[in-house]
Amino acid sequence: EVHLVESGGGLVQPGGSLRLSCAASGFTFSAYSMHWVRQAPGKGLEWLSYINSNSGGIYYADSVKGRFTISRDNAKNSLFLQMNSLRAEDTAVYYCARDWTWACDIWGQGTMVTVSS
Amino acid sequence: QSALTQPASVSGSPGQSITISCTGTSSDVGGYSHVSWYQHHPGKAPKLMIYEVNNRPSGISNRFSGSKSGNTASLTISGLLAEDEADYYCSSYTSSTTWVFGGGTKLTVL
Repeated sequence: EVHLVESGGGLVQPGGSLRLSCAASGFTFSAYSMHWVRQAPGKGLEWLSYINSNSGGIYYADSVKGRFTISRDNAKNSLFLQMNSLRAEDTAVYYCARDWTWACDIWGQGTMVTVSS
Repeated sequence: QSALTQPASVSGSPGQSITISCTGTSSDVGGYSHVSWYQHHPGKAPKLMIYEVNNRPSGISNRFSGSKSGNTASLTISGLLAEDEADYYCSSYTSSTTWVFGGGTKLTVL
């Protein structure tokens, strides 16, 4: 069965850093592009970043450009999101998702990130 | 990267049909066929319901259909069921090589 499992969320102070991971199973991870999407409390979904299968194409939303870095390790079937200079408004549930024809067809359950002093 | 515009809420009775609109610009919805729709029950993972404007993934009921006209895409759910009550989001690829979601629509089944 196809699965994505996020980890690495938690409580961090403003200005701090956090690295999220997404473990993939049940499909050929190296053949798929991937996304990170978040949902702040009481808000809608917000697309954050995309990485293609060989890491040759990487894109970010303006809200996180310069602060967040997406990466992947195809040998370990893993996707990452390095988050620096965190702000209170980055508080959200973070989802990783598999790309399929410019849509997200498989999603993880999400990991909560809380930025607070 | 402004969010696509969706109505905050829609409602319908069991068995009825509802339509959720999603309005963007020529740089996103109007410029590409890469429009998708997601169902999201709180606390669960979002679920892809429609991709490429009007295509259903395997396993998605044919009660769900999508369309697009100009800068506005639409999701129609026919034969409403109680289990359809959820938040629905549209999404589009954009000319900036990014993706954008709509603000979300809460569907209430009366």
